Amino acid sequence: GAVVSQHPSRVICKSGTSVKIECRSLDFQATTMFWYRQFPKQSLMLMATSNEGSKATYEQGVEKDKFLINHASLTLSTLTVTSAHPEDSSFYICSASKNIRSGNTIYFGEGSWLTVV
Amino acid sequence: DAKTTQPPSMDCAEGRAANLPCNHSTISGNEYVYWYRQIHSQGPQYIIHGLKNNETNEMASLIITEDRKSSTLILPHATLRDTAVYYCIVSNDYKLSFGAGTTVTVRA
Repeated sequence: GAVVSQHPSRVICKSGTSVKIECRSLDFQATTMFWYRQFPKQSLMLMATSNEGSKATYEQGVEKDKFLINHASLTLSTLTVTSAHPEDSSFYICSASKNIRSGNTIYFGEGSWLTVV
Repeated sequence: DAKTTQPPSMDCAEGRAANLPCNHSTISGNEYVYWYRQIHSQGPQYIIHGLKNNETNEMASLIITEDRKSSTLILPHATLRDTAVYYCIVSNDYKLSFGAGTTVTVRA
């Protein structure tokens, strides 16, 4: 079953509005989660590292004021795309690490499709 | 993180083993080798990972060369549902950098 869950799986919003995407770790605690973005026919691009109880760290070129990340609990991180524009339309994916028998590994959510119209 | 090199695409026959190569010649001693796959419009699915020893789980086997400069992911009996983009990633933390991967097409 799913280890990391995202909601919503698909969202359509109007240009200029904000949209929030949730990432939850299921039955385990994740002090760190990661947010990725993927455009069609391209690979995943890391956007930011979400740290529970502290500020997120952003990759070079990612606008922190546009992509607000909140990691308020050990099982939930949220990504808010503010003042969305059509070019923000993309597939957003989160990940979290979980300790399994073979050691810590990283699991990804199902992804969230954002369409800005 | 060390870079990896994978063939852009490969075909394999249903029911046969699929061997996916990955070169990571600049891997450092504390970096793990991870394999994920992504089926269209879904998040990446974890397959397997290892450090030095070969690993096997219910999905696949991972063979890492003794010098750790390359590895092979083996899908023992490929099915049509294994058609996906397969990513080989090396990392010593949880920030995974994705390359272009290998597009694997399993044919009946």
